[in-house]
Amino acid sequence: GAVVSQHPSWVICKSGTSVKIECRSLDFQATTMFWYRQFPKKSLMLMATSNEGSKATYEQGVEKDKFLINHASLTLSTLTVTSAHPEDSSFYICSARDINRNTGELFFGEGSRLTVL
Amino acid sequence: AQKVTQAQTEISVVEKEDVTLDCVYETRDTTYYLFWYKQPPSGELVFLIRRNSFDEQNEISGRYSWNFQKSTSSFNFTITASQVVDSAVYFCALSGEGSNYKLTFGKGTLLTVNP
Repeated sequence: GAVVSQHPSWVICKSGTSVKIECRSLDFQATTMFWYRQFPKKSLMLMATSNEGSKATYEQGVEKDKFLINHASLTLSTLTVTSAHPEDSSFYICSARDINRNTGELFFGEGSRLTVL
Repeated sequence: AQKVTQAQTEISVVEKEDVTLDCVYETRDTTYYLFWYKQPPSGELVFLIRRNSFDEQNEISGRYSWNFQKSTSSFNFTITASQVVDSAVYFCALSGEGSNYKLTFGKGTLLTVNP
């Protein structure tokens, strides 16, 4: 089956620093990847759609300069939380769609838990 | 706009009981997909099922079964003879061609199965 890998699984950083989270599709190509954020005991909220070779599309209310997304290849998208603050602490999950499957199915990474001190 | 409603926030059952998780959706798309995911305490999302809008056949997979009814825009999930390992948050989700297949999640239902 299609596998999406996220790295790191968890990260703790100091307030003011930047953190990069990687999302890789291991055995398929993905022109589109999606980044979600999940607060404790809450649902997953779509942050942005990452498009290979072009700018990401952000959902309303998500700060583009705060959450930098780069989709440099068909198998890698990165989310950088810039100048992180404690309120950015959350569970971030990426997902990807296989360009060779027209099923609408998304494959999810394991998630990355960010704690900002 | 897409919307998924999971009215049950939390459900608690005793092992071996059957339990049904409700999901109601809204979409203007003709072609869309419905999903159920399981999220155990470890956090990862476990894919359970995908159903497209043109296939209303109910599905059974072991102790799991799904009832898709377009007439009521519902996609309910039943666990038969529940087990403690079924304890998790379950999300119903929807993606449609009109939104470039962005996945919209319901708020989730926390299922606790007690021994």
